[in-house]
Amino acid sequence: DAGVIQSPRHEVTEMGQEVTLRCKPISGHNSLFWYRQTMMRGLELLIYFNNNVPIDDSGMPEDRFSAKMPNASFSTLKIQPSEPRDSAVYFCASSDLGDQPQHFGDGTRLSIL
Amino acid sequence: QKEVEQDPGPLSVPEGAIVSLNCTYSNSAFQYFMWYRQYSRKGPELLMYTYSSGNKEDGRFTAQVDKSSKYISLFIRDSQPSDSATYLCAMVRGGNKLTFGTGTQLKVEL
Repeated sequence: DAGVIQSPRHEVTEMGQEVTLRCKPISGHNSLFWYRQTMMRGLELLIYFNNNVPIDDSGMPEDRFSAKMPNASFSTLKIQPSEPRDSAVYFCASSDLGDQPQHFGDGTRLSIL
Repeated sequence: QKEVEQDPGPLSVPEGAIVSLNCTYSNSAFQYFMWYRQYSRKGPELLMYTYSSGNKEDGRFTAQVDKSSKYISLFIRDSQPSDSATYLCAMVRGGNKLTFGTGTQLKVEL
């Protein structure tokens, strides 16, 4: 079975550029989550969707961050403009609705120079 | 104070040892408890999932939850070098918003 698929796996770009991260959740899962992981702060939830609708975006750090889920099989996380402090590993996870465990992709390692 | 506290380690043990990993939490509203394993440059992988106080066993892994003490543990028996990873506890109040511990780095030495 295909797990959560994220692309790209690595992204290096210059400060001020737009960055788009992509995620394909596990087929049939109704909830999708975006996380950021850093050494200092660990795993932080940025935003999550249920049935393609954003439910909680309180973890999105600034207006420079936005996320969309146009359909059940695709989501994007966009940073515009990017800054060096956005450098981190960004994970996408999906689950069934309700109190079901989340399954993670292998992340996008983002470096902003 | 963080809602979930976890010793970051690193924890180094010899092969074959029993490993004990722990998390404490402050909010009694947490109902569901999970342990994830994360290898370097990979995403967290679900190991154990439980919602009641007591023990749950799966092969060499045992998850223990004590809601009265707000304390959860993961035990690894007969530890192997392949168990070397970061172990993250996670818990849910309700709905599907996870709160993670910061992770404990484990190294099992030959």
